[in-house]
Amino acid sequence: GDSVTQMEGPVTLSEEAFLTINCTYTATGYPSLFWYVQYPGEGLQLLLKATKADDKGSNKGFEATYRKETTSFHLEKGSVQVSDSAVYFCALWLSGGYNKLIFGAGTRLAVHP
Amino acid sequence: GAVVSQHPSRVICKSGTSVKIECRSLDFQATTMFWYRQFPKQSLMLMATSNEGSKATYEQGVEKDKFLINHASLTLSTLTVTSAHPEDSSFYICSAQLHGRGQDSPLHFGNGTRLTVT
Repeated sequence: GDSVTQMEGPVTLSEEAFLTINCTYTATGYPSLFWYVQYPGEGLQLLLKATKADDKGSNKGFEATYRKETTSFHLEKGSVQVSDSAVYFCALWLSGGYNKLIFGAGTRLAVHP
Repeated sequence: GAVVSQHPSRVICKSGTSVKIECRSLDFQATTMFWYRQFPKQSLMLMATSNEGSKATYEQGVEKDKFLINHASLTLSTLTVTSAHPEDSSFYICSAQLHGRGQDSPLHFGNGTRLTVT
């Protein structure tokens, strides 16, 4: 079935380190892909999205490229900050009558000064 | 813009009682609202899709008689956990999608409700 697989956390980094959180998906058709972020004590917020192959979503220094050939949507940031500490969820949107958002397990990121 | 308000944020109830959780889109109309359940250190599991004015569509394995969903208007959906038991203790999250938009419209999430059944 349709699913999203994320790398397990927690990921612990020092400030200004490079971040990669892997995400791969299985889906029929051509889903839209999203990264959501959940800061401590808050609800989920959309971080970035890509709706078709080779699209790159970007926001707040984060980037992810929709790779159809590898069915991946890895999240990257060149220099993380303490304020980036949160849980990151990769998700895919199933359309074509299904119309629902399926999440990966989430990856907790902890950034230390 | 696009704020989703979920109430209450926390609730503790006794086993056997029912609990209602409200999800409101404050500044937009939401044809479709989604209810998720999040277990500790796990992902969000979609429970049901709620469409204004029609019956909710439940995911496989979710008991529709236990988790009653009502979507009476374009700005309000409610989830009622009936005859709650300790195993229903969880974090419930609602989300809403802008009216008339498809996959280009991201979901907007409430802050969740922590339900504890004693």
